[in-house]
Amino acid sequence: AQTVTQSQPEMSVQEAETVTLSCTYDTSESDYYLFWYKQPPSRQMILVIRQEAYKQQNATENRFSVNFQKAAKSFSLKISDSQLGDAAMYFCAYRGPTGANSKLTFGKGITLSVRP
Amino acid sequence: KAGVTQTPRYLIKTRGQQVTLSCSPISGHRSVSWYQQTPGQGLQFLFEYFSETQRNKGNFPGRFSGRQFSNSRSEMNVSTLELGDSALYLCASSLVGPTTETEAFFGQGTRLTVV
Repeated sequence: AQTVTQSQPEMSVQEAETVTLSCTYDTSESDYYLFWYKQPPSRQMILVIRQEAYKQQNATENRFSVNFQKAAKSFSLKISDSQLGDAAMYFCAYRGPTGANSKLTFGKGITLSVRP
Repeated sequence: KAGVTQTPRYLIKTRGQQVTLSCSPISGHRSVSWYQQTPGQGLQFLFEYFSETQRNKGNFPGRFSGRQFSNSRSEMNVSTLELGDSALYLCASSLVGPTTETEAFFGQGTRLTVV
């Protein structure tokens, strides 16, 4: 079974600084997808970034980028120029190959606070 | 384009009762998944429906059931409610094609409290 591990329950970052959130996963599949979701106090899960395992290039979305290390099964999220609105819970998630099913396996999440 | 809509947003039920939660996916999305979120267990997968068929199921007791209608709307039912069923229930939809699949888009959730 696939597992996703986020070992840091909480992190804090100064506004305008950079922070990296860690995630490791375990799977026997070669084709899969990884995601970072943000959950603010409103509880709405918002997709931050998506990475396809077959792509060697790390995904980037504005201030958000990932460091995807397939061999090490590591998928960290880097937030640059942190803003107060980035404060939220962040979940790393795994999904298997397209066509199998749409099940997401989530990590426990990390609470990110941003200091003004 | 409307997002994923879950109703109701909040529910308070008594132990032993049953409850039905509703989810309307994004137009065109045929895959609907349900998740339970609690402080202790985090986000756990309940089940997924695709084209009115249950495609995958998580490790929950049979008290938890669901269905999907021809318009892709989905309902989740919990019978004989227990205190431990108090949670945020999240629904997500995705667009599934022969070789592609979008990411999951989530609704705002239904907060169920069992007293």
